[in-house]
Amino acid sequence: SQQGEEDPQALSIQEGENATMNCSYKTSINNLQWYRQNSGRGLVHLILIRSNEREKHSGRLRVTLDTSKKSSSLLITASRAADTASYFCATGGSEKLVFGKGTKLTVNP
Amino acid sequence: EAQVTQNPRYLITVTGKKLTVTCSQNMNHEYMSWYRQDPGLGLRQIYYSMNVEVTDKGDVPEGYKVSRKEKRNFPLILESPSPNQTSLYFCASSLGITYYNEQFFGPGTRLTVL
Repeated sequence: SQQGEEDPQALSIQEGENATMNCSYKTSINNLQWYRQNSGRGLVHLILIRSNEREKHSGRLRVTLDTSKKSSSLLITASRAADTASYFCATGGSEKLVFGKGTKLTVNP
Repeated sequence: EAQVTQNPRYLITVTGKKLTVTCSQNMNHEYMSWYRQDPGLGLRQIYYSMNVEVTDKGDVPEGYKVSRKEKRNFPLILESPSPNQTSLYFCASSLGITYYNEQFFGPGTRLTVL
């Protein structure tokens, strides 16, 4: 069952701009994670935010979590062409991680 | 280097010919999982394993088998592949799944069943 749903499905921006992706989920979670996937390759873990955290930073990444709204957002600041990829949120429960369908980000040089 | 490896990376086969995709991790992780990724459907979990000799069905287990005889290996078996199993498959592992654990993914196996 798919729990996380990313929005938008696709996003195209210019290099240097910020990119914001959103994730909504349905049930209670222990944590929420964001992953990046370059075309056809394995997913790479970006950041994890726990259910008792509201915001987390890692380099140019900023993740927020609002458990009351069951939503999270991923902000990539000062985007680069190398950020072009698909981004997935994954919600962690007691036994497994459930992935959304992803946001495809294109950063134009 | 800590990693998850999968073999083969690419495979073209025919309907009904049994195949195995291997997955191995060198991080002493307890949890391992198989996903398939299809356009428009995202990643869907096939099977997972919380530890040696412990496996459970994910969201789309039909047509697949797995085994976990050793901690490091978690092969995916397709006894009688069909065209609807054409997909991109990923193996992943993590230290544990109960609380706050990131998953490490293999490079993927692109399978085509004719």
